[in-house]
Amino acid sequence: DIQMTQSPSSLSASVGDRVSITCRASHNINRYLNWYQQRPGKAPKLLIYAASNLQQGVPSRFSGTGSGTDFTLTITGLQPEDFATYHCQQSSSTPHTFGQGTKVEIK
Amino acid sequence: QVQLYESGPGLVKPSETLSLTCAFSAGSISTYYWTWIRQSPTKGLEWIGYMYYSGSPNYNPSLKSRVTMSVDTSKKQFSLNLTAVTAADTAVYFCATVNPGFGESADYWGQGILVTVTS
Repeated sequence: DIQMTQSPSSLSASVGDRVSITCRASHNINRYLNWYQQRPGKAPKLLIYAASNLQQGVPSRFSGTGSGTDFTLTITGLQPEDFATYHCQQSSSTPHTFGQGTKVEIK
Repeated sequence: QVQLYESGPGLVKPSETLSLTCAFSAGSISTYYWTWIRQSPTKGLEWIGYMYYSGSPNYNPSLKSRVTMSVDTSKKQFSLNLTAVTAADTAVYFCATVNPGFGESADYWGQGILVTVTS
């Protein structure tokens, strides 16, 4: 299985901050990397697919970069509704594994 | 827009079979792959497997001996059976659609159903 490692596991930030979360794959996954946002008690919501493609309806303050083994999710201008947990997932090969999640908390 | 809704028992006894159903509205069943994903505090998000309505399922090797997925096109339902459950199978179970045109990301999700394995 491909192992996905996210960092940090949690971070504190303020409204308006620029925040970056990284995800590293144990093997080359090209651009088969997806990012999800999950609020407490809710299902994950797709934000970005194939490393850098914004899902329809997702605000443009979210962006994704990377290829191969290293990927980054950036939120530029953090909003109150962005305080949540973010998960990366590789869909290059089955099983489609997830990172352990990064919780973004209010400072 | 596709809407998904999981249903099934919230409590299952150890060694028994967990059976869940995912009903969906809108869209064609042939547009997507269909996947089950579960989430527990200990393991985080875990991909159980996926299938296309007309193809063979692809299961997580860690669960393959116990998992069965199926699609009922007439009922517009997607099902999961997990046999010989233990406490380790306690989790929130989600069904979701996987869009092959979107890098096989999971683009629509059900609300999730908590299944607790307990005697």
